Amino acid sequence: AQKITQTQPGMFVQEKEAVTLDCTYDTSDQSYGLFWYKQPSSGEMIFLIYQGSYDEQNATEGRYSLNFQKARKSANLVISASQLGDSAMYFCAMREATGFQKLVFGTGTRLLVSP
Amino acid sequence: EAQVTQNPRYLITVTGKKLTVTCSQNMNHEYMSWYRQDPGLGLRQIYYSMNVEVTDKGDVPEGYKVSRKEKRNFPLILESPSPNQTSLYFCATQLAGASADTQYFGPGTRLTVL
Repeated sequence: AQKITQTQPGMFVQEKEAVTLDCTYDTSDQSYGLFWYKQPSSGEMIFLIYQGSYDEQNATEGRYSLNFQKARKSANLVISASQLGDSAMYFCAMREATGFQKLVFGTGTRLLVSP
Repeated sequence: EAQVTQNPRYLITVTGKKLTVTCSQNMNHEYMSWYRQDPGLGLRQIYYSMNVEVTDKGDVPEGYKVSRKEKRNFPLILESPSPNQTSLYFCATQLAGASADTQYFGPGTRLTVL
C-alpha cells in the first residue's frame, strides 16, 4: 500500500536561508507522481511542485526544488531564500498510476520563517 | 478564472441534522474528489468521481454520500452528522487520470458538529 512519511512536525528557518522539508514514500508501483502542497493559515491548499517517477531531472519551480532520490524513495522539498510568507504547513503527496484517483498525503510539516 | 468553489465555507451544526456541502468547478475536469483533513492525519480521501454518474469510495467513506449528476458539481452529503465528522473538508478536481495531473483544491469547508 502506498504511504507517505513526513518525520518533521515542525521546522524553523531564518529569513533568506534555505530549508529542506523531508518526505519519504513507499509504493510498489513503478509509475507514480509526487507532489508538494502548501497550506497557509488561511487554509487553502496550494500546489507547489510535481515530480514524476520517470523524470531524470529534479523538478524546480522558482524558489522550490524537489530533491528526488528514487533509490532511497525520498522526495524532499527545498525552499531557497526563505521569506516570511513561506510560513505554512507543507504536505507531501503521492499518486500511483494504478491508483490515479487518489492522492495519498503525509501528515505535514509546519514551517516557521523568522525575521 | 479557473475555480473550485465550496459552500458553505464554515458551518456549525448539531448531531443528526442532515447537511450538504456543495462543490463546483468551471474547468471542465472529469475527475472530482472529497477529502477531509484532521490534525496529525493529513488529508484522507472520502469519495471520488471519475465522471458523471460514476462515483466510488475512498479511504474514509463511512457517514458520507455523494452524487455527480452534472460534470461541474460534486456535493458531499452528511445524512446524520456526528461529532467525529468535525473536520476541514476539501473538494478537489483533476483534468483526467494521468498520474501527472495536478489536483486543484477548493478553499475548504470547516465543519463543526456539536
